[in-house]
Amino acid sequence: NAGVTQTPKFQVLKTGQSMTLQCAQDMNHEYMSWYRQDPGMGLRLIHYSVGAGITDQGEVPNGYNVSRSTTEDFPLRLLSAAPSQTSVYFCASRTLAGANEQFFGPGTRLTVL
Amino acid sequence: AQKITQTQPGMFVQEKEAVTLDCTYDTSDPSYGLFWYKQPSSGEMIFLIYQGSYDQQNATEGRYSLNFQKARKSANLVISASQLGDSAMYFCAMRESNNNDMRFGAGTRLTVKP
Repeated sequence: NAGVTQTPKFQVLKTGQSMTLQCAQDMNHEYMSWYRQDPGMGLRLIHYSVGAGITDQGEVPNGYNVSRSTTEDFPLRLLSAAPSQTSVYFCASRTLAGANEQFFGPGTRLTVL
Repeated sequence: AQKITQTQPGMFVQEKEAVTLDCTYDTSDPSYGLFWYKQPSSGEMIFLIYQGSYDQQNATEGRYSLNFQKARKSANLVISASQLGDSAMYFCAMRESNNNDMRFGAGTRLTVKP
């Protein structure tokens, strides 16, 4: 059981470049989400999904796209990277039943120059 | 609007002593969950403890306990017998029953001194 995995661990982009952050979970969780963590601000929700084919916006969705074609995968796309998107990105998953633990991936540290 | 407030940017505690990390929250939903996560310098988010709004007793998990005062809307984390490995960032979070969004506080950096 690998839990929540994220790739890459580190990435440097130039302004305007695009890329996809990968997230996968093997726990058959319905709910998956992406957060960004900036210094002094805790984690903020970017997008989330409650199941395959269903996505919705969180607190800070601008500049990011997501899709959920399978239960396991929830990629985050940056279409045109900006320096303001320099951050640490966390993917998380949990079951929809109950209200307990949300499992986090190890994070991706992204720098946009 | 900020729903989770952690007023202590940094805290120091002597090894083997107890420490309380403060968290207050704001919600009009009668059903919600409160969470504490630990983030060591390695960066991963580690779940520590959960408290449901309807739980009659304060949650405990080993050396961690949650001092839940519903009327005051506070959910303070108490760490007993601090260890050097407890040095980390600690985040309080809340999820309302009618909302999939988990909101986090800004965090408290705890340093345990030998």
